Amino acid sequence: AQKITQTQPGMFVQEKEAVTLDCTYDTSDQSYGLFWYKQPSSGEMIFLIYQGSYDEQNATEGRYSLNFQKARKSANLVISASQLGDSAMYFCATGSLNFGNEKLTFGTGTRLTIIP
Amino acid sequence: NAGVTQTPKFQVLKTGQSMTLQCAQDMNHNSMYWYRQDPGMGLRLIYYSASEGTTDKGEVPNGYNVSRLNKREFSLRLESAAPSQTSVYFCASSEGGQGRYFGPGTRLTVT
Repeated sequence: AQKITQTQPGMFVQEKEAVTLDCTYDTSDQSYGLFWYKQPSSGEMIFLIYQGSYDEQNATEGRYSLNFQKARKSANLVISASQLGDSAMYFCATGSLNFGNEKLTFGTGTRLTIIP
Repeated sequence: NAGVTQTPKFQVLKTGQSMTLQCAQDMNHNSMYWYRQDPGMGLRLIYYSASEGTTDKGEVPNGYNVSRLNKREFSLRLESAAPSQTSVYFCASSEGGQGRYFGPGTRLTVT
């Protein structure tokens, strides 16, 4: 069984500041992935970043980085130098990496608002 | 390369009507999924297909059926729509565990 907890329903951040969105997870899988998605007001789900459970280095993709702390079961998303276009819902998710069992479990999301 | 496409984008049904949501991907992925998203919630898995010819129930399968027509296409059918099925439906595909690519979504309203 898998569970994702996102404890921040909403956040307001000043433009150009860094943002940390919290995510904790619980999973019975030995091999799993952690994912972050952005959902702007237009509704599409945009894949941001991925971290495998066996990856020792934190994943980075441009301004996004994933702060992976396996012992704490934590996978926080860090957005550096926030921009107005970062305003959106952000979802953390986890899924098994075993072939045939790759379905994702999502958290309830965090609504991020960037203030100019 | 269109990625994951879904049709229709919007649909309004009356209670008891049926419809099929279509999904296709051109990335040659083995796995495909159907999720629903209700207001204030994350996505919940309805059904998934790990490979052509196989389908399995997800977290909320009641009231739905699926067909994996071929490797590209995975359809979701509502046989008798209910107001509780008002939601946004997303199709997704993946290969190898690292990526999950979503379609643009179908906004369904059942009156």
